[in-house]
Amino acid sequence: NAGVTQTPKFRVLKTGQSMTLLCAQDMNHEYMYWYRQDPGMGLRLIHYSVGEGTTAKGEVPDGYNVSRLKKQNFLLGLESAAPSQTSVYFCASSDRSGNDEQYFGPGTRLTVT
Amino acid sequence: AQSVAQPEDQVNVAEGNPLTVKCTYSVSGNPYLFWYVQYPNRGLQFLLKYITGDNLVKGSYGFEAEFNKSQTSFHLKKPSALVSDSALYFCAVRVQGGYQKVTFGTGTKLQVIP
Repeated sequence: NAGVTQTPKFRVLKTGQSMTLLCAQDMNHEYMYWYRQDPGMGLRLIHYSVGEGTTAKGEVPDGYNVSRLKKQNFLLGLESAAPSQTSVYFCASSDRSGNDEQYFGPGTRLTVT
Repeated sequence: AQSVAQPEDQVNVAEGNPLTVKCTYSVSGNPYLFWYVQYPNRGLQFLLKYITGDNLVKGSYGFEAEFNKSQTSFHLKKPSALVSDSALYFCAVRVQGGYQKVTFGTGTKLQVIP
């Protein structure tokens, strides 16, 4: 099992450019999440999904969109990147059970100049 | 609103000594509590969780945590620290029942000194 994988690992964007981050999991998990990690802020939830075809907003959704067309994939899009979106992005997944731990991907380091 | 506090940005401990990383929480309802560890340039890894039952929870790599409802705390402990335990540790909480989002603390950097 690969677990949770993320592509790309690194990316540099110019302000106003767009990009999509891909997350894939092979554990047949229902729930998937996108977080951003910034120094001193911990992890903040951007968007999440409780099943194929469903998405919901987290704490900091502005400037991001997501899609979950297939159960194993969760895409995070930045339509018009801003320097404030410079961060490390983590994808995670968990089983349907609410008491289950989350499994995290290795992260994507994004710099917006 | 639920919240998690990790009052120490960094904890230094000598190798072989016991370690404690502190966590307090605030929720409306019964909590699920988690500890995760993050090594440099890696994603978070699950260490242990409290759902219900015994207040002392044992997890991976010799770590354990004690749930204290009256003090709303869930401190992470290990009897004898290893240099390889040096990492960033996150406490997390969610409320029991249905889907509820998980709130993470800001993290505590553990430095084990040889």
